[in-house]
Amino acid sequence: DAGVTQSPTHLIKTRGQQVTLRCSPISGHKSVSWYQQVLGQGPQFIFQYYEKEERGRGNFPDRFSARQFPNYSSELNVNALLLGDSALYLCASSDRVGDYGYTFGSGTRLTVV
Amino acid sequence: DAKTTQPPSMDCAEGRAANLPCNHSTISGNEYVYWYRQIHSQGPQYIIHGLKNNETNEMASLIITEDRKSSTLILPHATLRDTAVYYCIVKETSGSRLTFGEGTQLTVNP
Repeated sequence: DAGVTQSPTHLIKTRGQQVTLRCSPISGHKSVSWYQQVLGQGPQFIFQYYEKEERGRGNFPDRFSARQFPNYSSELNVNALLLGDSALYLCASSDRVGDYGYTFGSGTRLTVV
Repeated sequence: DAKTTQPPSMDCAEGRAANLPCNHSTISGNEYVYWYRQIHSQGPQYIIHGLKNNETNEMASLIITEDRKSSTLILPHATLRDTAVYYCIVKETSGSRLTFGEGTQLTVNP
């Protein structure tokens, strides 16, 4: 069974641009969460989606948005990129909201220049 | 979710037990203690969780004090591959988010 798949693994964007990150959860998992991890810090919660509905939102500006598709994959969009958005973006998969153990992907490393 | 406090770093000799402490003095009755670890350049990995009883799985043991205000993660025979940042997290099972602190950098030395 494939684990949580994120794409791309790395990308570089310019300030003001927009970016879309993608995540495919473990087969059968219906919940996807997104986290941002700035260098030297622990991951910070951005969103959780379950059955295509938003179930939780962290303290991030409206420039951050996400959606979940019928096949349970998800996209995270960030508009008007700032230098401070440079981080590792992690996707976590679970069978349901509040599941005991989330499975994380290896993340997408975003660099904003 | 209750806040947790962990030492920033610890060292352990290969083959010895690694005991990682965590304080969560404001934990409420319906909150579980979760442990995750993050090996460099990878996503966090779930290790174990518990409510009030001690728990053991193939990766580790979790010891929770009777008053539930602190816990210890035990890696019984640490290997070099256990070098990672270990995060102690308190969360309700129904809660949607994991609140990560800065964790403990465990370094296992040969």
